Amino acid sequence: NAGVTQTPKFRVLKTGQSMTLLCAQDMNHEYMYWYRQDPGMGLRLIHYSVGEGTTAKGEVPDGYNVSRLKKQNFLLGLESAAPSQTSVYFCASSYLELDYNEQFFGPGTRLTVL
Amino acid sequence: EDKVVQSPLSLVVHEGDTVTLNCSYEVTNFRSLLWYKQEKKAPTFLFMLTSSGIEKKSGRLSSILDKKELFSILNITATQTGDSAVYLCARCSGGYQKVTFGTGTKLQVIP
Repeated sequence: NAGVTQTPKFRVLKTGQSMTLLCAQDMNHEYMYWYRQDPGMGLRLIHYSVGEGTTAKGEVPDGYNVSRLKKQNFLLGLESAAPSQTSVYFCASSYLELDYNEQFFGPGTRLTVL
Repeated sequence: EDKVVQSPLSLVVHEGDTVTLNCSYEVTNFRSLLWYKQEKKAPTFLFMLTSSGIEKKSGRLSSILDKKELFSILNITATQTGDSAVYLCARCSGGYQKVTFGTGTKLQVIP
């Protein structure tokens, strides 16, 4: 039982390059989330998904796209990376219950955009 | 906007001290209040507080939710160096359980 995994762990991009971050969970969770964490800013929600085939925007969605083609995977794409997207990205997943939302986090991806 | 405000931003205490961390939130469509501990890597879950469970305790850690005044506190008694971490507060709202995090309180426990 691996929990939530993220690939890659580290990545350096040049401005304008594209990439996809992969999140996978083996807990059969309905909900999945992508956050970014910057110094002094806490965790900010980029996009989230409430089930296979559905996605929704969070607080800071601009410059990112997501897809949830399979229940266990949630992909975060950067079409044209910018230095402002330098951050640590965390994926999380949780159960589908009305009042219970313990989120299980992946180990994070550190992305640097030059 | 779903704001979550934590205080203090950082705190340095000696081993054995008791600390209280604060979290205030906005009420719109509130479902639950969550506390996480973040050391070097990913946040790990500590507590969830809802309208049906406004006080939680686990070992030296405890938390309460004041729904009237819209805040929560996290208490840590007899602190240890292993408690050094960033403590994150988050509120869960809406039908799809959108979670908004505060900026965190950085706690350093020195021997």
